[in-house]
Amino acid sequence: DVKVTQSSRYLVKRTGEKVFLECVQDMDHENMFWYRQDPGLGLRLIYFSYDVKMKEKGDIPEGYSVSREKKERFSLILESASTNQTSMYLCASSLTTGEVREQYFGPGTRLTVT
Amino acid sequence: SQQGEEDPQALSIQEGENATMNCSYKTSINNLQWYRQNSGRGLVHLILIRSNEREKHSGRLRVTLDTSKKSSSLLITASRAADTASYFCATVSNSGYALNFGKGTSLLVTP
Repeated sequence: DVKVTQSSRYLVKRTGEKVFLECVQDMDHENMFWYRQDPGLGLRLIYFSYDVKMKEKGDIPEGYSVSREKKERFSLILESASTNQTSMYLCASSLTTGEVREQYFGPGTRLTVT
Repeated sequence: SQQGEEDPQALSIQEGENATMNCSYKTSINNLQWYRQNSGRGLVHLILIRSNEREKHSGRLRVTLDTSKKSSSLLITASRAADTASYFCATVSNSGYALNFGKGTSLLVTP
C-alpha cells in the first residue's frame, strides 16, 4: 500500500514564524502535491512537483514556497506565517503514467497561526 | 480553479438507504475521479471512470458518467454509518498533472 506521511497532525505557530511542513511518500511516485483545505472553499492547489528539483505553482502559491531535493520528500515552506494561512494542509502523491491517475493523500496537518 | 461541483452540499439518510451525489464539470475530461474524506483526515481515492466509460462499479459504489452533460454521479447502495464522510469529485487541471476538486458533498448516515 502507498503510504504518504506528514510530519505533524497539528501545529501551532506564531505570526511571522517560518514554518516547514514535510511530506514523505514511500512508493517512488514522481508527482507530489500540496493542497490547503478551508471550509466552503474545498481543496486548493498550492504547488506541485513532477520530478526532483522541479516545481510548479498551483492556484494559490502566494506566501508559500516548496522544496523537492529527494524524490520521496516534498516540503512546503511558509516564509513568514500569517493568520490567513491557518488551514488544513494536505500532501498527495501520484504516479506518472499515460493519464492522470489517482492521488494518494497524507493524513493532513492542521496548522493554526496565532 | 475548481472545475467539479458536487450536489447536494449535504445529504442525510438512514442506514440501509441509497445515497446519490452528483458532480458537474466544465471542460472536456480524460477521466473523472471520486474521493472520500473522513472528518479531519486525508482523502481516499474511491474510483476512476474514463471518458469512454459510462458506468463503473466497485463494491457498493456505482459511478456513472455522461460526457454530453458534463456530469457524473456516485451512488452508494445500502449505506452504513461508516459511510459518513465528505465525497469529492475531481478532474484533471490545466497543468496536466494536478486535480481540480469540487467542494464536496457531506454525507451523514444515521443508524
